[in-house]
Amino acid sequence: ETGVTQSPTHLIKTRGQQVTLRCSSQSGHNTVSWYQQALGQGPQFIFQYYREEENGRGNFPPRFSGLQFPNYSSELNVNALELDDSALYLCASSFGGTGARTEAFFGQGTRLTVV
Amino acid sequence: AQSVTQPDIHITVSEGASLELRCNYSYGATPYLFWYVQSPGQGLQLLLKYFSGDTLVQGIKGFEAEFKRSQSSFNLRKPSVHWSDAAEYFCAVPSGAAGNKLTFGGGTRVLVKP
Repeated sequence: ETGVTQSPTHLIKTRGQQVTLRCSSQSGHNTVSWYQQALGQGPQFIFQYYREEENGRGNFPPRFSGLQFPNYSSELNVNALELDDSALYLCASSFGGTGARTEAFFGQGTRLTVV
Repeated sequence: AQSVTQPDIHITVSEGASLELRCNYSYGATPYLFWYVQSPGQGLQLLLKYFSGDTLVQGIKGFEAEFKRSQSSFNLRKPSVHWSDAAEYFCAVPSGAAGNKLTFGGGTRVLVKP
């Protein structure tokens, strides 16, 4: 059983640029959620993808967008980067798009620094 | 909306001593509750979860948590802390219309003294 993997682990971008982060979900899982964790804070929900459709979104602007592919891997895209976008971005995979009983497994995260 | 609060930002404990981390939830009905641990530079690992039934829940790494409806709490405990328990701990509750997102508390950072 493979776990949740994210790439890259670290990257540095310049304000105004665009970035794509990638996540491979755990084997057998069909749902991917993305979270932003600023330094010293708890993770904040960005959005979730279930069977290639967006299935809920947190309080993030439209420049945060995503995709889920037929193999259930996912991308998080952020346009027009701002300094406040600097954070650890976490991907979580689970089985089933709804329901509180679904246990989410997290990747190790991508540390994004915007300069 | 469902939410959780972790009143303690930092806790320092001696190795071998007991540990208790507080989590208070805000939700009318019986919530589902989770505790996650995050080691430095790592993602989140699920320690334990409460859905219903027995209010004392056993988790991994020797942790347990007790759900107390009267106090709206779900505190995490460990009888004897090891140096490897130094990490950040997050309490979380499912929220959103479909319960499909996790709302996390602000976290408690645990430092372990030798």
